[in-house]
Amino acid sequence: QQQVKQSPQSLIVQKGGISIINCAYENTAFDYFPWYQQFPGKGPALLIAIRPDVSEKKEGRFTISFNKSAKQFSLHIMDSQPGDSATYFCAAGIKAAGNKLTFGGGTRVLVKP
Amino acid sequence: ETGVTQSPTHLIKTRGQQVTLRCSSQSGHNTVSWYQQALGQGPQFIFQYYREEENGRGNFPPRFSGLQFPNYSSELNVNALELDDSALYLCASTRDRTFSTDTQYFGPGTRLTVL
Repeated sequence: QQQVKQSPQSLIVQKGGISIINCAYENTAFDYFPWYQQFPGKGPALLIAIRPDVSEKKEGRFTISFNKSAKQFSLHIMDSQPGDSATYFCAAGIKAAGNKLTFGGGTRVLVKP
Repeated sequence: ETGVTQSPTHLIKTRGQQVTLRCSSQSGHNTVSWYQQALGQGPQFIFQYYREEENGRGNFPPRFSGLQFPNYSSELNVNALELDDSALYLCASTRDRTFSTDTQYFGPGTRLTVL
């Protein structure tokens, strides 16, 4: 019940294109869904996060869409840039339990110039 | 930069040895979580410390243990190292686990190789 499944494992997108990464979860107690970006040799850095009472959240070129009934959420990267090339992780946590995060397996994104 | 520092950056140990990894939380943060990230995988939660007490543990054996100090810095200790313990170990600090809007900030990690 603690799994978070992420797809695809990798994707290649042209500069200016849209990158879409999907995640699905099982535990309905999750109430916090962050996305992290990780560059080689670095720790994950928070990109954007959403609570289940909101269906969409946008910050700059990054948008999270959330479907509570389907237990799915996704990250859209608009106008992808070569600097966006990184590994992206979705995660889920329970705020009242101290927000210990369960991570997806990651998606390696390559943006071609 | 998140303000979370970890040491050492890299470490090589042999099977059966013990290792201690260190984390300095962001200033003012009283909650620290440790994660293990195997190559090509997402981080897995090991345990969390809040105000020097363990506050939850993931699916890791007792040979993984931790400490949090009064200044909120933290240690991860692993005894009887196994080859599968080779991974990037990440610590993440949170201002206060009881704040519903708080975020975890990750350090750069310690790369542990067990030979």
